[in-house]
Amino acid sequence: DQQVKQNSPSLSVQEGRISILNCDYTNSMFDYFLWYKKYPAEGPTFLISISSIKDKNEDGRFTVFLNKSAKHLSLHIVPSQPGDSAVYFCAASGDGANSKLTFGKGITLSVRP
Amino acid sequence: EPEVTQTPSHQVTQMGQEVILRCVPISNHLYFYWYRQILGQKVEFLVSFYNNEISEKSEIFDDQFSVERPDGSNFTLKIRSTKLEDSAMYFCASSGYRSPKLSGANVLTFGAGSRLTVL
Repeated sequence: DQQVKQNSPSLSVQEGRISILNCDYTNSMFDYFLWYKKYPAEGPTFLISISSIKDKNEDGRFTVFLNKSAKHLSLHIVPSQPGDSAVYFCAASGDGANSKLTFGKGITLSVRP
Repeated sequence: EPEVTQTPSHQVTQMGQEVILRCVPISNHLYFYWYRQILGQKVEFLVSFYNNEISEKSEIFDDQFSVERPDGSNFTLKIRSTKLEDSAMYFCASSGYRSPKLSGANVLTFGAGSRLTVL
């Protein structure tokens, strides 16, 4: 039951260019979408989130776009830096105070110097 | 920056043995979670815990699993009789106040994980 799908397992980008990481979901009841970054031997670290009533949220080099009709979101990283190389997880949740996160499989981003 | 601490970082056990994974959540957080990630697969929800009781659990969280907050700082996951398929990285997480700046999402802070290897 893959409610959150990250269909591309990996992405390689040149330093300074834009990285676009995609995520699709099937459950239209999700209220929030989050992106987490994970380095080896560490836990996932929160990056940015967006409410289902918004279509864009920006934080520095990171912007998340949400297309509700297509059940699709994307994370844009501009400009990409070698330190951004990590696994990126898309996650979704409901609106309750302790709503669980449902994760995708993750995308491995490699930023080449 | 406050962090979630997990011990042990790696545990190797024999099939059928009991295992306890320990977590110290962020001190002012109210909600606690366990997730696991089998190698090469996605991060899966196991259980959420609030006010000293389970809020929600997944179908993975069967009778072999239990959680406890024995003293107000630790949060433990016990696997009663481990199976080979329990081999995974187990992540503890906690969450608290939902800042409007973070769009109101329930942002979980994760620990570094405990790798469990069942032989």
